[in-house]
Amino acid sequence: GAGVSQSPRYKVTKRGQDVALRCDPISGHVSLYWYRQALGQGPEFLTYFNYEAQQDKSGLPNDRFSAERPEGSISTLTIQRTEQRDSAMYRCASSTRNEQFFGPGTRLTVL
Amino acid sequence: QKEVEQNSGPLSVPEGAIASLNCTYSDRVSQSFFWYRQYSGKSPELIMSIYSNGDKEDGRFTAQLNKASQYVSLLIRDSQPSDSATYLCAVVTGANNLFFGTGTRLTVIP
Repeated sequence: GAGVSQSPRYKVTKRGQDVALRCDPISGHVSLYWYRQALGQGPEFLTYFNYEAQQDKSGLPNDRFSAERPEGSISTLTIQRTEQRDSAMYRCASSTRNEQFFGPGTRLTVL
Repeated sequence: QKEVEQNSGPLSVPEGAIASLNCTYSDRVSQSFFWYRQYSGKSPELIMSIYSNGDKEDGRFTAQLNKASQYVSLLIRDSQPSDSATYLCAVVTGANNLFFGTGTRLTVIP
């Protein structure tokens, strides 16, 4: 079956612009997670949802970052007023129990 | 102290040998443990999960968990060049968050 999909796969933007990253989880998966991964590091937790409810957003770096999952399926991670330090791979994962399955990621570059 | 610690490597083993990857974690109430494989430029791929003390075998992979020592390991038997990747240890903490280690880079030499 279809896995987790993310779009766009690559995003280049100028400093100060807003970006929206999309995640489409595996059908039927209750939980959806957002991570950020720097080169040579493991994924760093940002936030997660059960259905449409955001359960934990303690990993979001600051208030420029927000996420939503209004219908309990597709989720959007939004970064406002992007800064160069936001450049990273942003990964989404979904799960039905404990085991998480990752999407291909969105490579964000802020110039 | 980091939630999950791994030796970053690189770890090099000859083809056919056993590769041993180790991980320690800090939250004593953690109950769920995972090993992910990540090829360069790709997403992490779940290869093993373990929830109880002891060993769990799946093909050439064996995960070992010791909750008293807060230690989890992954053994890869008959290592193949295709096993060359970064292996990420991940632990679900008592707060139900999944924390990843920095990963151990494994190279299997033909």
